[in-house]
Amino acid sequence: QITLKESGPTLVKPTQTLALTCTFSGFSLTTRGVGVGWIRQPPGKALEWLALVFWDDDKRYSPSLRSRVTITKATYTNEVVLEMTDMDPVDTGTYYCARRQGWGYDFWSGYYDYWGQGALVTVSS
Amino acid sequence: DIQMTQSPSSLSASVGDRLTITCRASRNIYNFLNWYQQKPGRAPNLLIYGASNLQSGVPSRFSGSGSGTHFTLTISSLQPEDFAIYFCQQSYNDIGNFGPGTKVDVK
Repeated sequence: QITLKESGPTLVKPTQTLALTCTFSGFSLTTRGVGVGWIRQPPGKALEWLALVFWDDDKRYSPSLRSRVTITKATYTNEVVLEMTDMDPVDTGTYYCARRQGWGYDFWSGYYDYWGQGALVTVSS
Repeated sequence: DIQMTQSPSSLSASVGDRLTITCRASRNIYNFLNWYQQKPGRAPNLLIYGASNLQSGVPSRFSGSGSGTHFTLTISSLQPEDFAIYFCQQSYNDIGNFGPGTKVDVK
């Protein structure tokens, strides 16, 4: 059974750094084609893709947030951490982590087939 | 950067209706397009990947088609549990941005 769960602070102050942990089970982040990504959703709005780490530790970032976001996978535990600096009230929303399963030639493309329940983060002073 | 748009942004429908939702990409993404369903307070659920491949466990009333820049999600006979928001996502590159969503509610 594959599960993912987000954990971290529910409230952060403006300018602070947010650190969220995704703890997963039921799959390995060393399997070729697999990745873990972060996606967020402001209240009542659309999904916004943030970052992705692959099985080989390659990483991708949203161009609009690249300067503020870092994704890291732990070496010996089933965890992926998202850090976002300089938080602002517009960053308020639900943050999801999800498994990226690759498909196609050399797993070039991917889809998010398992998601965590989401973590609501509010940015307010 | 690949931009994704969806139409309509919302629609009202009845149980048993046939629905089609459209997603467009700002450039050719071949068949690298995924569809998700999201219900209130829940995480998104993968329906279709690779434009037309039905994810395991998803009812066969859902189908996807298209390639290049124009894609569609069709629900052949709307069921009560299908009232939700539907998002497309490009998977041509791993930036993975989503469309703005289409809300399907009760007429």
